[in-house]
Order: sequence, then C-alpha cells, then structure tokens
Amino acid sequence: KAGVTQTPRYLIKTRGQQVTLSCSPISGHRSVSWYQQTPGQGLQFLFEYFSETQRNKGNFPGRFSGRQFSNSRSEMNVSTLELGDSALYLCASSPMTSGADTQYFGPGTRLTVL
Amino acid sequence: AQSVTQLDSQVPVFEEAPVELRCNYSSSVSVYLFWYVQYPNQGLQLLLKYLSGSTLVESINGFEAEFNKSQTSFHLRKPSVHISDTAEYFCAVSDPSNTGKLIFGQGTTLQVKP
Repeated sequence: KAGVTQTPRYLIKTRGQQVTLSCSPISGHRSVSWYQQTPGQGLQFLFEYFSETQRNKGNFPGRFSGRQFSNSRSEMNVSTLELGDSALYLCASSPMTSGADTQYFGPGTRLTVL
Repeated sequence: AQSVTQLDSQVPVFEEAPVELRCNYSSSVSVYLFWYVQYPNQGLQLLLKYLSGSTLVESINGFEAEFNKSQTSFHLRKPSVHISDTAEYFCAVSDPSNTGKLIFGQGTTLQVKP
C-alpha cells in the first residue's frame, strides 16, 4: 500500500496570509490526525478527523481549522499566519477502530512564515 | 490529562555499545504507550507499542521497551547500537477512550559515534 502523502512538502508564506495543507491517508484508513512540530514546543496535536467529522481537537487558536472529505483525504487551513506558525506539519492516518491502532505518519509539510 | 517526559534531550553513544532512552508518563487513566523514531527530513515511524499483556515489547530491529506501571515508565533499550540508529526518538501516550490523539515527549536525539 502507498504510504501517507502530504502536499506540498515545502511552503513559504508571509505574515497575514493563509495556507492550506493537504494529506492523503493510506487506503482504507478513515482517521486523519494533524500535528505541529517545532523546536520549542515539540510535537503537538492539532485535531483528528474520522469519517468527515472532527472527533478531537487540541489547544490551538481558531485560526487553525481542518476538514475531511468523503475519500478520507484531509486538509488543514491556517488563516492570518503569524511568525510562530513556522513549523513542520505532520499528518497521520489510521484505521482508528480503536485507540490501539497505529498512526502512520506522512513526511510532513514544512511551513516557513516570513 | 496525560503528559510525557523524556529525561534526556541528547544521548551520545559509541557504536556497538548499549543504550537506554528514558521515558516517564503521567496519567490518571490507563494508557497505551508508543515509541516513534524520526530520521532527518522524514516523518515518524512506529518502533513499538505497549497495549496490554506482557510488559516487555520488542521491535524487529533490536529495540525493546519495558512498561513499568509502578514507576510510570516506558524506557527504550538496545543492547548494541549501529550508526544507522542515529535519529530522534519520541515516546508517546494515548488514552484508549480518546482515539486519534497522541501526546508526545520532547524527544531524545540518539547520536551514535563510530
């Protein structure tokens, strides 16, 4: 099976702009989770979508949003970008029929905000 | 709420020496425990996970971790490391009733020297 794919791999934006990142899960996986990775804060959970519904949400401002489509592909959007949003954004997919299921990570999208 | 503490940010070790990467967690409920590895410019890959049963879990590449409930620890060990083990290692927990959300430690960089 193909792994989790994320597009684009790299992005450069300026403050105030908005950005959309895309994640295609492993075929058959219905859950997609998003994480932000920064040197200072480490890996932090953003949100999880399952069958097109947000099932879990982390402690991020409302500028961070996401959605999931009927084919399980997911997008996350960050509006009004700030310098501190520069990070590696990782998505992970899972069958998530239970919390014991492994999350499989994509290579990430590296966002730089200037 | 759960939290994870990785006690060492960097662990330098010579090739063929044993290594232990320490992980402690805090939780008021039972949790699932995971170790992930991240190579440069890549996403995270699962090394091993503890769900229940035997407290010693092993990976296919020689790593093992032992769940210690009384000490709330899940330390990762390898009896003999290789240069190729150089990477960042993350310990994570999930709440079985809160699927899709992993809580990560800050990571430990393992530097294997020749």
